[in-house]
Amino acid sequence: EVQLVESGGGLIKPGGSLRLSCAASGFTFSNAWMSWVRQAPGKGLEWVGRIKRKSDGGTTDYAAPVKGRFTISRDDSKNTLYLQMNSLNTEDTAIYYCTTFYSSNWYGSYFDLWGRGTLVTVSS
Amino acid sequence: DIQMTHSPSSLSASVGDRVTITCRASQSITNYLNWYQQKPGKAPKLLIYAASNLQSGVPSRFSGSGSGTDFTLTISSLQPEDFATYYCQQSYSTPYTFGQGTKLEIK
Repeated sequence: EVQLVESGGGLIKPGGSLRLSCAASGFTFSNAWMSWVRQAPGKGLEWVGRIKRKSDGGTTDYAAPVKGRFTISRDDSKNTLYLQMNSLNTEDTAIYYCTTFYSSNWYGSYFDLWGRGTLVTVSS
Repeated sequence: DIQMTHSPSSLSASVGDRVTITCRASQSITNYLNWYQQKPGKAPKLLIYAASNLQSGVPSRFSGSGSGTDFTLTISSLQPEDFATYYCQQSYSTPYTFGQGTKLEIK
């Protein structure tokens, strides 16, 4: 079965750090571009960042609110995507979704496979 | 950043109705527009990519159209399982931005 399963969420104090994981199965993870999207409680969707596959350079790109604080990485040997989150603040409270990210010149880019998400709550 | 605006923000409709949701971009995004459906407590699901392409497994009652700045998602005959929140998303440039969503409720 093709799936993404996030883990690592929880309650963290402001200023703290947390690492989320996303375990992929059912597809060739090393060929996939991956992304994180978050959703604050009762709010809309916000793109967090993206990592290319290693054969495309493995580079990352981030949204402004998280740039310099969050780092996306991948371990293709473990079929796992990571999101290292530092200097967390209350505005980072959200469900964090792991997604596959398809990109082409013809169709643009889109988030085609989503995990169920993991909740991160930043509160004192 | 490119701003995406849904219209309306919420909509009440009945089973069997034809429903159209509109999304407007703050600048031209050619056809780089995607639509997602999200049900309460669930992850979003991709419905339409590149403005008018139906994702595999999505029922044919869903369709998308538009280019440039104005886009529409149409559900030809609402089914009970279609009551959800719908989001548009542009992939023309980073940061990839979503609209605020349109909540489709049962009348």
